[in-house]
Amino acid sequence: KAGVTQTPRYLIKTRGQQVTLSCSPISGHRSVSWYQQTPGQGLQFLFEYFSETQRNKGNFPGRFSGRQFSNSRSEMNVSTLELGDSALYLCASSFGGTENSPLHFGNGTRLTVT
Amino acid sequence: AQKVTQAQTEISVVEKEDVTLDCVYETRDTTYYLFWYKQPPSGELVFLIRRNSFDEQNEISGRYSWNFQKSTSSFNFTITASQVVDSAVYFCALSDVNTGTASKLTFGTGTRLQVTL
Repeated sequence: KAGVTQTPRYLIKTRGQQVTLSCSPISGHRSVSWYQQTPGQGLQFLFEYFSETQRNKGNFPGRFSGRQFSNSRSEMNVSTLELGDSALYLCASSFGGTENSPLHFGNGTRLTVT
Repeated sequence: AQKVTQAQTEISVVEKEDVTLDCVYETRDTTYYLFWYKQPPSGELVFLIRRNSFDEQNEISGRYSWNFQKSTSSFNFTITASQVVDSAVYFCALSDVNTGTASKLTFGTGTRLQVTL
């Protein structure tokens, strides 16, 4: 069974630009969550999508947005990039029902903002 | 607010030693889930174990064992006879069941385990 796939693995962008990251969940998983990992703040929850709807949201500014497609694939967008957005962005998928199934993570996209 | 504390920033052991990673959590929820994840240099977080707040039975799985104690709000993880391949950063995490799923996790800061020959 294929795991969670994130593309691209690495990105270098300039301040002020925008970026879109992609995540393909494990087959059968309907929930996709996004996390930001930085040395200073650690792992922080961004948002979760389930059945194409945002179900939960963390404490990030509106520049961070996402969406989920009917095949459960998800994209995350960051607009007007800032230096502090440099991080490893991890996507995770789960069945997403009420059973509190564990998250399965991808390898992440490492974003560098210069 | 939920909080997870991993006081050990980095641990170095020699192969075959046993090592215990500590995790202390804070939550006002009576129902919650606790997790351990491992992050090797490749970057992905690998799920190791999940425990719910009603299941204090400790478990052994191969070289791994877990000790969950609600009385002290601790969920410690032990690797027996460590191996070089165990070198990674280990994260303890707590779920916010009020959101209806376990997707919103509060992570600890992680413990870097270095196993040398």
